[in-house]
Amino acid sequence: DVKVTQSSRYLVKRTGEKVFLECVQDMDHENMFWYRQDPGLGLRLIYFSYDVKMKEKGDIPEGYSVSREKKERFSLILESASTNQTSMYLCASSSAGGSTDTQYFGPGTRLTVL
Amino acid sequence: AQSVSQHNHHVILSEAASLELGCNYSYGGTVNLFWYVQYPGQHLQLLLKYFSGDPLVKGIKGFEAEFIKSKFSFNLRKPSVQWSDTAEYFCAVKPTGRRALTFGSGTRLQVQP
Repeated sequence: DVKVTQSSRYLVKRTGEKVFLECVQDMDHENMFWYRQDPGLGLRLIYFSYDVKMKEKGDIPEGYSVSREKKERFSLILESASTNQTSMYLCASSSAGGSTDTQYFGPGTRLTVL
Repeated sequence: AQSVSQHNHHVILSEAASLELGCNYSYGGTVNLFWYVQYPGQHLQLLLKYFSGDPLVKGIKGFEAEFIKSKFSFNLRKPSVQWSDTAEYFCAVKPTGRRALTFGSGTRLQVQP
């Protein structure tokens, strides 16, 4: 069973703080993704990574950065948190392709920026 | 830009009613198609997916979806809903050769007992 875990379920931070969200997967997946989920907007891709140290911007990368130093771990960084980054953050992973190319999601981190 | 449209934002049904949730996408090439479900307080999980072959795809919990290429649609159906189907449903599209999914805005389904 694929398992994607996220370091926190709930997080409260202040404006201007640096925030780290961690994601770990246990299935040796090549691809990892960060989305944010907002009511009425669905899931929007922030960044993804297809290999260690490799990353690509998604649809809404502004204000975020990522780090992938190990295959199983993908971190999302908010360099200076702002109130408009209050959201639910979802991490996902998938294998490299073919019929098994399905994304598996973590439980999410609900971030509130005050 | 590629987009996915889910026109029903909030659907309320009584138990045993039939369900059809619409999903249309704008990408013109070959795509992989997915429906995900998020039950209250739970992870997003895969309901079903279409990669190739039979355009009628069966998923978990009695759900099915039909891919109609000419209409760029991948509608989700269930003949008889249960209270436990109350959840938010997301359609997603992945063009062949790309790694990331594009999601629709979601449909919140409320099933009344």
